[in-house]
Amino acid sequence: EIVLTQSPGTLSLSPGERATLSCRASQSVSSTYLAWYQQKSGQAPRLLIYGASSRATGIPDRFSGSGSGTDFTLTISRLEPEDYAVYYCQQFDTSLWTFGQGTKVEIK
Amino acid sequence: EVQLVESGGGLVQPGGSLRLSCAASGFTFSRYSMNWVRQAPGKGLEWLSYISSSSTLIYYADSVKGRFTISRDNAKISLYLQMNSLRAEDTAVYYCARDRSTMLVGDAFDFWGQGTMVTVSS
Repeated sequence: EIVLTQSPGTLSLSPGERATLSCRASQSVSSTYLAWYQQKSGQAPRLLIYGASSRATGIPDRFSGSGSGTDFTLTISRLEPEDYAVYYCQQFDTSLWTFGQGTKVEIK
Repeated sequence: EVQLVESGGGLVQPGGSLRLSCAASGFTFSRYSMNWVRQAPGKGLEWLSYISSSSTLIYYADSVKGRFTISRDNAKISLYLQMNSLRAEDTAVYYCARDRSTMLVGDAFDFWGQGTMVTVSS
């Protein structure tokens, strides 16, 4: 089973700052199967990025994904008030999906 | 508008059973693979099970294999999760989620329901 480790656990930033979230896999992951989600308190997750770098429908262009192999990154270019949330990466391998443990982006 | 609405959650004793349902609308349900994902209180997301559009491919996480059964009824536009031999550690919000693509196994989940809470306690 591929384990995804996200860092940092918590990111404290001010509105307008750049957020860089990391997702590291225990084995190489196909970029096709790497996704990022945003989850706000009390809400269901929302798909942000699929295929490592493609934005889902309706996602603002301040969100971008990059990476390959075992290292993937979600970048939020300028934090808006509505971006404070928990972010999860997800991967698929063979017949199993796994999620990272999440990174919380909080207001500094 | 795509909508997924889960139901069937509640309080159940350890060792008991529960059947969750997910009613879909706003898209051609029979074309899409579906998933169940759960989230224990204060914890992260855990994928549980996948079913392809025609039910020919079914996958489970090791944590629920042999205890949970995923199924779907395309005529009733519904997804199900039969949960048996429930344990305290199964306490969580259970979400159904749609695969983004109709073509690619392993794609991301583009629509999620709001979830239904399952509490396993005596």
